[in-house]
Amino acid sequence: QVQLVESGGGLVKPGGSLRLSCVASGFTFSDYYMNWIRQAPGKGLEWVAYISSSGSTIYYADSVKGRFTFSRDNAKNSLLLQLTSLRADDTAVYYCARGFTRTRFGFDVWGQGTMVTVSS
Amino acid sequence: DIQMTQSPSSLSASVGDRVTITCRASQSISSYLNWYQQKPGEAPKLLIYAASDLQSGVSSRFSGSGSGTDYTLTINNLQPEDFATYYCQQSYSPPPITFGQGTRLEIK
Repeated sequence: QVQLVESGGGLVKPGGSLRLSCVASGFTFSDYYMNWIRQAPGKGLEWVAYISSSGSTIYYADSVKGRFTFSRDNAKNSLLLQLTSLRADDTAVYYCARGFTRTRFGFDVWGQGTMVTVSS
Repeated sequence: DIQMTQSPSSLSASVGDRVTITCRASQSISSYLNWYQQKPGEAPKLLIYAASDLQSGVSSRFSGSGSGTDYTLTINNLQPEDFATYYCQQSYSPPPITFGQGTRLEIK
């Protein structure tokens, strides 16, 4: 079945780094644009980053630009989100989400999320 | 950036009721509007895309409408499984992609 599985979350100190992974299965990964979306505890959804199907186009939210790096490996059906210079307000559940092809920039399949906690 | 404002932030309703949630964009988004449902501890689920198209597998009790800056999500004949938080999301002008702040639907 179509599935996205995130990993790599954890507790990190302010200023630290973390690598989040998302592995896809059940669909032709290279056909889809992909995204990361996060949700701080008790808060709403915040889009973080977008990557095109080929990886040639990447967008970031202003809140993470210059600190996060988004990449993909279509041969391994995987995404990587490198988080650096982490701050307390980066604490959130991070979801990877598949781009919905019937409209632009929608999300039709989501992973279960991985929790990132930034605290000293 | 396009700002999305949902109203109300929360509402209480009973099983069998009809409810409407509104989403207003800070500028016209030409029906590039999606709706999601999120239950506690779960990932969001796409309900409606392009303002009024029902995602495959989603109950026909859900419907969407609107144009320009104003959009609505309507849920008919509320069922126990519908009590959740609902988010709108504009996909007209990324980046950034922006969500509304959410509407929490609770059982009365």
